[in-house]
Amino acid sequence: SAVISQKPSRDICQRGTSLTIQCQVDSQVTMMFWYRQQPGQSLTLIATANQGSEATYESGFVIDKFPISRPNLTFSTLTVSNMSPEDSSIYLCSSKGEGGTEAFFGQGTRLTVV
Amino acid sequence: GENVEQHPSTLSVQEGDSAVIKCTYSDSASNYFPWYKQELGKRPQLIIDIRSNVGEKKDQRIAVTLNKTAKHFSLHITETQPEDSAVYFCAASMGGSNYKLTFGKGTLLTVNP
Repeated sequence: SAVISQKPSRDICQRGTSLTIQCQVDSQVTMMFWYRQQPGQSLTLIATANQGSEATYESGFVIDKFPISRPNLTFSTLTVSNMSPEDSSIYLCSSKGEGGTEAFFGQGTRLTVV
Repeated sequence: GENVEQHPSTLSVQEGDSAVIKCTYSDSASNYFPWYKQELGKRPQLIIDIRSNVGEKKDQRIAVTLNKTAKHFSLHITETQPEDSAVYFCAASMGGSNYKLTFGKGTLLTVNP
């Protein structure tokens, strides 16, 4: 299993600013996944972060808007850049225990852009 | 890429009744199918999963069935209780720790006392 700590849990930000979300895993994992969950909606994958290489972004998401860092096997950050009200959402990080299939999630970051 | 369809989007049942949620997937390479429960304001939590070499799996009141030929899988909850009320998501993956999950759109289950 994996325990993921994510912060901040929530934030209210001004449009045009950036917010960096951090996720810490209690064990070493190869991949970390970043999802967006808009109110009442499903989880949409933003990107997959592999330590030591550039993140892989899904269609509709770009590095300039959502830069990701993965400095080691237990930590990752997602930045939401130049925010607009449309970025208001819950952002979740996820990983699977090494060699496992079950995905564990951080507690989520509820972002409101005003 | 993988596409997962989930039905119904909302489901209301009386306490003690059964609830069934169905999903279909498109990529025949997918071999791992988890179900997540998400309570309001909480993170998704795995409740049951099934791999493609198994047709059915049961855990107390929860069961999942998989039809690989038809590419669909279903969640069955028996003897529902009010605490089963939540949003349920199905997902599909190629399995393994490096593979992403593709989620269905979710089903809001309400169990009425």
